[in-house]
Amino acid sequence: GENVEQHPSTLSVQEGDSAVIKCTYSDSASNYFPWYKQELGKRPQLIIDIRSNVGEKKDQRIAVTLNKTAKHFSLHITETQPEDSAVYFCAARVAARQLTFGSGTQLTVLP
Amino acid sequence: DAGVIQSPRHEVTEMGQEVTLRCKPISGHNSLFWYRQTMMRGLELLIYFNNNVPIDDSGMPEDRFSAKMPNASFSTLKIQPSEPRDSAVYFCASSIQGLGTEAFFGQGTRLTVV
Repeated sequence: GENVEQHPSTLSVQEGDSAVIKCTYSDSASNYFPWYKQELGKRPQLIIDIRSNVGEKKDQRIAVTLNKTAKHFSLHITETQPEDSAVYFCAARVAARQLTFGSGTQLTVLP
Repeated sequence: DAGVIQSPRHEVTEMGQEVTLRCKPISGHNSLFWYRQTMMRGLELLIYFNNNVPIDDSGMPEDRFSAKMPNASFSTLKIQPSEPRDSAVYFCASSIQGLGTEAFFGQGTRLTVV
């Protein structure tokens, strides 16, 4: 089955700096790659996603890039703010199957 | 739509007792997933259903765990008998099958087995 690895497990940045989280996946048939943000005590919520026919997608301060050849994708957050502090999960899905999640990255934005 | 609804939000039970977690997916969604989240193991998929049919239950830890989806608007996850190591947050999520769309998560059930 699909295996998703995520790095780093923890990341601290100064407010205003950029943060990058990276994931790799194993199944070349995966075609959907969402990123979820989970605040303490809350449910994971989608913040951005990308499909395999697209190399990059941006939404204000967040962007995701996908390299299908290397089977990795990354989340970029620019101009980080304290409210960006949370656990971020990447995931990958093959067609109609289930999402396989990475192990999560605890992002802390220091004021 | 109220989103994915899970009940109860919190459950504290004694070891050996039966626990039933409930989930109502978003109307129109035909895929339903049960995840377990712990600090040690992160988000683990337990089982998922497409059109009320269990597709992959390889993540179910052992025979003490069972899940059902009797209709498109309701699913249960049962643990019998419960053990302290089952303590975790259990999330239910739903999506539309096959469209590569996002999975929407419920608020989760925090289970504590003492």
